[in-house]
Amino acid sequence: DIQMTQSPSSLSASVGDRVTITCRASQSISSYLNWFQQKPGKAPKLLISAASSLQSGVPSRFSGSGSGTDFSLTISNLQAEDFATYYCQQTYNTPFTFGPGTKVDIK
Amino acid sequence: QVQLVQSGAEVKKPGASVKVSCKASGYTFSNYYMHWVRQAPGQGLEWMGIINTSGGTTTYAQKFQGRVTMTRDTSTSTVYMELSSLRSEDTAVYYCARAQGVYWGQGTLVTVSS
Repeated sequence: DIQMTQSPSSLSASVGDRVTITCRASQSISSYLNWFQQKPGKAPKLLISAASSLQSGVPSRFSGSGSGTDFSLTISNLQAEDFATYYCQQTYNTPFTFGPGTKVDIK
Repeated sequence: QVQLVQSGAEVKKPGASVKVSCKASGYTFSNYYMHWVRQAPGQGLEWMGIINTSGGTTTYAQKFQGRVTMTRDTSTSTVYMELSSLRSEDTAVYYCARAQGVYWGQGTLVTVSS
């Protein structure tokens, strides 16, 4: 199975900050990488697919980059509604494993 | 509009089985695979498996092999996930999600408790 790691596991930030979350795969997954946002009690929301393709309706302050084994999600100009947990997921090979998540909370 | 509506919460005893349904609407059901993902309380997301809604073929995560069965009914545009030999560690919210992850059900809480 492909193992996914994320760092940091949590971070505290302020509105207006620029935040970067990294995700690493245990082997090359090309660009088969999704990023999800999840708020308490809600289903995950797909933000980015194929490592860098922003989903329709997702604000442009979200961006993704990377390929192979190393990926990142950047939120520029953090807004109040962005405080949530973020997960990466590889869809290169089954099982389509998720990273452990990164919780972004208010400083 | 695309909707995935899941069945309601369940409470089961250890050793029992649970069957969760996910009814799809707003699109051509057999054009998209369906994933099942679960989330234990306070924990991360765990991918369980996927079903080809057209042909019915399945791929399960090794962890659930032998305990999980995913099926579909094309006449009602519904997919099912059955998990057997339940244990307390299976207490979680179970989600269906349409490939490629844009649309999710509302989640079904399964509680396993004696």
